[in-house]
Amino acid sequence: DAGVTQSPTHLIKTRGQHVTLRCSPISGHKSVSWYQQVLGQGPQFIFQYYEKEERGRGNFPDRFSARQFPNYSSELNVNALLLGDSALYLCASSFPAGTEVEKLFFGSGTQLSVL
Amino acid sequence: GIQVEQSPPDLILQEGANSTLRCNFSDSVNNLQWFHQNPWGQLINLFYIPSGTKQNGRLSATTVATERYSLLYISSSQTTDSGVYFCAVAPRAGGTSYGKLTFGQGTILTVHP
Repeated sequence: DAGVTQSPTHLIKTRGQHVTLRCSPISGHKSVSWYQQVLGQGPQFIFQYYEKEERGRGNFPDRFSARQFPNYSSELNVNALLLGDSALYLCASSFPAGTEVEKLFFGSGTQLSVL
Repeated sequence: GIQVEQSPPDLILQEGANSTLRCNFSDSVNNLQWFHQNPWGQLINLFYIPSGTKQNGRLSATTVATERYSLLYISSSQTTDSGVYFCAVAPRAGGTSYGKLTFGQGTILTVHP
């Protein structure tokens, strides 16, 4: 079975531009979470979607938005990019069932560089 | 919000050595996971362990929820164990965490041949 897939793997943008990152969860998983990881730090929670509804939002500005589609894939959008948005963006999926209901499985990430 | 502190921040070992990584957290949790981030950035889930003890090959983990800490043991370390180890938690007070985890700063492990 395929794991969590993210695209693109690398992206270079300039300040003020908009970016869309994509994530496909593990087959059968209905929950998708997004994290931002700045170099040298642990990942920081951005959004979580379950059954196409937003269930959690981290401390990020309104320039960040996301959505989940009927097939449970997800997009993360960032508007008006700033230099500080340069980071590794990670997507994680989980399958809320059984005893390990919230064990997260991460994709390889999208490395975003803002120039 | 909940605070997560990992120690040590850096660890250098010779192949074959054993190590213990620690994670302290500031509040009761209902979700605790250990991850290994390899040099290519991939985060691998090692354990889902909000309480108790689990073992998987050379790795084992113990969470003492009442004392708010978790330990990750690596035995007979190999060069492929190198990378960053993260502990991530969700507070019990929040109910279902819905994938919202707070990560520690990580422990950077380097295993030399």
